[in-house]
Amino acid sequence: DGGITQSPKYLFRKEGQNVTLSCEQNLNHDAMYWYRQDPGQGLRLIYYSQIVNDFQKGDIAEGYSVSREKKESFPLTVTSAQKNPTAFYLCASSEQGPSFMNTEAFFGQGTRLTVV
Amino acid sequence: GEDVEQSLFLSVREGDSSVINCTYTDSSSTYLYWYKQEPGAGLQLLTYIFSNMDMKQDQRLTVLLNKKDKHLSLRIADTQTGDSAIYFCAESVDSNSGYALNFGKGTSLLVTP
Repeated sequence: DGGITQSPKYLFRKEGQNVTLSCEQNLNHDAMYWYRQDPGQGLRLIYYSQIVNDFQKGDIAEGYSVSREKKESFPLTVTSAQKNPTAFYLCASSEQGPSFMNTEAFFGQGTRLTVV
Repeated sequence: GEDVEQSLFLSVREGDSSVINCTYTDSSSTYLYWYKQEPGAGLQLLTYIFSNMDMKQDQRLTVLLNKKDKHLSLRIADTQTGDSAIYFCAESVDSNSGYALNFGKGTSLLVTP
């Protein structure tokens, strides 16, 4: 079945450690996104990538890094520089297209990261 | 980006209609979306509306768009307990770098028997 997969579902890390969240899609989508969700904050865009080997900072990119070496994969690294890393992280993908077309975003099930 | 505004909570009785409101920021947004999130899960697209439309109906869902006031609403008819979830309004944001979605904070809908 086509879809977008995030792993793991729950992740615990000690403060000061870097951690990488996985996001894989087999929808053949060009564009992929990372959002962070905090209670009462909604979703905020961390990074997005419109095409392989290219990515752009979102609204809250500080303390995060990404790579897009393959179309199917868009891993997110939460570095020790991120001051408040504990959150629910959502990955999404969509077809790349002109802005006047409907580009529905498909979301993964999320990874809940807890830093202790 | 600037904030997309939604009320945080809504409680309705089973069988009643629910109306969730949203005010968005970017008058050039091409599409506006409603997503549903069940506890501990990702987001599912419920419906969307193109910016040159005033209304869209899809089974129990009706979306109304007032472009002048940048106001979007989602009406759920005959609300069921399975509709209890968080509903997010989102606007498409286009820039030279590409396209992304700008989300509201979500409205928690509680449906009571």
